[in-house]
Amino acid sequence: LAKTTQPISMDSYEGQEVNITCSHNNIATNDYITWYQQFPSQGPRFIIQGYKTKVTNEVASLFIPADRKSSTLSLPRVSLSDTAVYYCLVGRRIGSSNTGKLIFGQGTTLQVKP
Amino acid sequence: NAGVTQTPKFQVLKTGQSMTLQCAQDMNHEYMSWYRQDPGMGLRLIHYSVGAGITDQGEVPNGYNVSRSTTEDFPLRLLSAAPSQTSVYFCASSYSWTPMTDEQFFGPGTRLTVL
Repeated sequence: LAKTTQPISMDSYEGQEVNITCSHNNIATNDYITWYQQFPSQGPRFIIQGYKTKVTNEVASLFIPADRKSSTLSLPRVSLSDTAVYYCLVGRRIGSSNTGKLIFGQGTTLQVKP
Repeated sequence: NAGVTQTPKFQVLKTGQSMTLQCAQDMNHEYMSWYRQDPGMGLRLIHYSVGAGITDQGEVPNGYNVSRSTTEDFPLRLLSAAPSQTSVYFCASSYSWTPMTDEQFFGPGTRLTVL
């Protein structure tokens, strides 16, 4: 089972780049890495997903090294509105079926200061 | 599209009471799931469904029942509420049976307090 480990909390200032690293030493060959963002009193929201190397969208970048045992979410030039909890997930299968359970950890609470 | 909707937004129950949390999606998604989130913790999977008539247990299924009679609806039933079930409940859905690769769409949540 690919358990994930990420820092409990991080602080940053507006305009800075923030990198949140997630460790997943037991990731399986077919597992994808997904990041979600959750604001207070709201449900999580999908940010980005990747399998290897680098993925970029309009919100963030995801860096995955060749061994895939870790991944780094990069948020460019954060603002106060980026204050949220960020979850790193690695999907897993149930037996030989194509279904799976998404397991959330505690996430990383990012506090952006003015 | 309304996306994923949940009702009620808030609910207070007494120990031993039963109730149903409603979840509906209008995106024709096959996969739906229920999570609970306790203060300072991440989300824990309660039950999930890969289609109408098919459900399975998640990490913390005890005390909860689900059924999936239609693609759109996935209600969560508390048969006999306990204070330990005080939590925020989130419903989510995705297009296919593979939540690890499909984007999950979450509802706004139901805040439940059991006295």
